[in-house]
Amino acid sequence: DADVTQTPRNRITKTGKRIMLECSQTKGHDRMYWYRQDPGLGLQLIYYSFDVKDINKGEISDGYSVSRQAQAKFSLSLESAIPNQTALYFCATSDSGSERGTGELFFGEGSRLTVL
Amino acid sequence: RKEVEQDPGPFNVPEGATVAFNCTYSNSASQSFFWYRQDCRKEPKLLMSVYSSGNEDGRFTAQLNRASQYISLLIRDSKLSDSATYLCVVITNTGKLIFGQGTTLQVKP
Repeated sequence: DADVTQTPRNRITKTGKRIMLECSQTKGHDRMYWYRQDPGLGLQLIYYSFDVKDINKGEISDGYSVSRQAQAKFSLSLESAIPNQTALYFCATSDSGSERGTGELFFGEGSRLTVL
Repeated sequence: RKEVEQDPGPFNVPEGATVAFNCTYSNSASQSFFWYRQDCRKEPKLLMSVYSSGNEDGRFTAQLNRASQYISLLIRDSKLSDSATYLCVVITNTGKLIFGQGTTLQVKP
């Protein structure tokens, strides 16, 4: 089984619908991230969480919200989806980057979202 | 100015060639640096960390230049299987991870 699991892997929806992308991890990491990737723009950080009670906005948080339900779960919501939110979304985890670890990111396989 | 910048390429090179990519960062207090590889439609995966003293892993060499605020990745004896997008990642002093937009490498027979 994958260490970082994203669901759904693919989703097509209509403008105005609410969408939730879910991410769960078995690595025991405190830190979790949501990124979106668009062709030619690389990965852009949407939200990140350093522990269950710590949630921070990234570069492009407008139109998105997140929930850290547990150490292992971090979900991303689009309250009212719009076509320019069509993208590939990645969840990732990392340890603290301190002497306990390297800060390496571990990614899920991605969720491809299409908003019509 | 973006916090982390890369030349998107594509870099088209023949098999066996040596190719180098740079990545510049704006936050002088950045602490950790990495190179990731991403194959088409797949998730990024760690290629190598970048240490202050530089590091080498087989055909791959990564270096950090703090004075000029850039990291580099050198690939020697390119293989067809090296074709991918290479992403640099910078961890700032506040713990935020920032990706460059990636550099696409295409190795041709």
